[in-house]
Amino acid sequence: GAGVSQSPSNKVTEKGKDVELRCDPISGHTALYWYRQSLGQGLEFLIYFQGNSAPDKSGLPSDRFSAERTGGSVSTLTIQRTQQEDSAVYLCASSLAPGRTASYGYTFGSGTRLTVV
Amino acid sequence: RKEVEQDPGPFNVPEGATVAFNCTYSNSASQSFFWYRQDCRKEPKLLMSVYSSGNEDGRFTAQLNRASQYISLLIRDSKLSDSATYLCVVNQGGKLIFGQGTELSVKP
Repeated sequence: GAGVSQSPSNKVTEKGKDVELRCDPISGHTALYWYRQSLGQGLEFLIYFQGNSAPDKSGLPSDRFSAERTGGSVSTLTIQRTQQEDSAVYLCASSLAPGRTASYGYTFGSGTRLTVV
Repeated sequence: RKEVEQDPGPFNVPEGATVAFNCTYSNSASQSFFWYRQDCRKEPKLLMSVYSSGNEDGRFTAQLNRASQYISLLIRDSKLSDSATYLCVVNQGGKLIFGQGTELSVKP
């Protein structure tokens, strides 16, 4: 597609429920990232997929968080047993070929606003 | 210490002013650098990449000092539409690390 697509755009869930957030990156982009942004805060790295390599999961805050990327394209971020502190905007980004030195742009989706009540 | 640190802001400036944002990063192995802009309740968007030689894009000038691990963004002749949060971003092994951002408000 023309941009990074995320769904749903808004999600309200009850504490303790599981949620799945979806990201559809730009076609051909090999790298995909998940970040979250709490109100008034900066972006917190969660996980990074690059091609067929093992993902960098170093930012996942707990084992309640997991992510998959199927067929090198669509990614799903799953949060199990949601807590109120999970409320945030979850942002997905994709990039053509980031590497260590690339200056390519990273394109973000418009995010999923998750509210845990 | 945060991996990427920025001026806390907010910066409130009149139209036409010149404003400078500073950023420092802690990991000397960082290889590429960016400035992103984020409007209220919107996703971040790439403003410009930052090169060692310095680079300019219209009213915006970015500088990188690797020895000091310091990045800057200069905005000349600021416009009302420049009001946003400016994010300093560092690429560490393909992973983007974001600063907390500096809020800019340009007033008439």
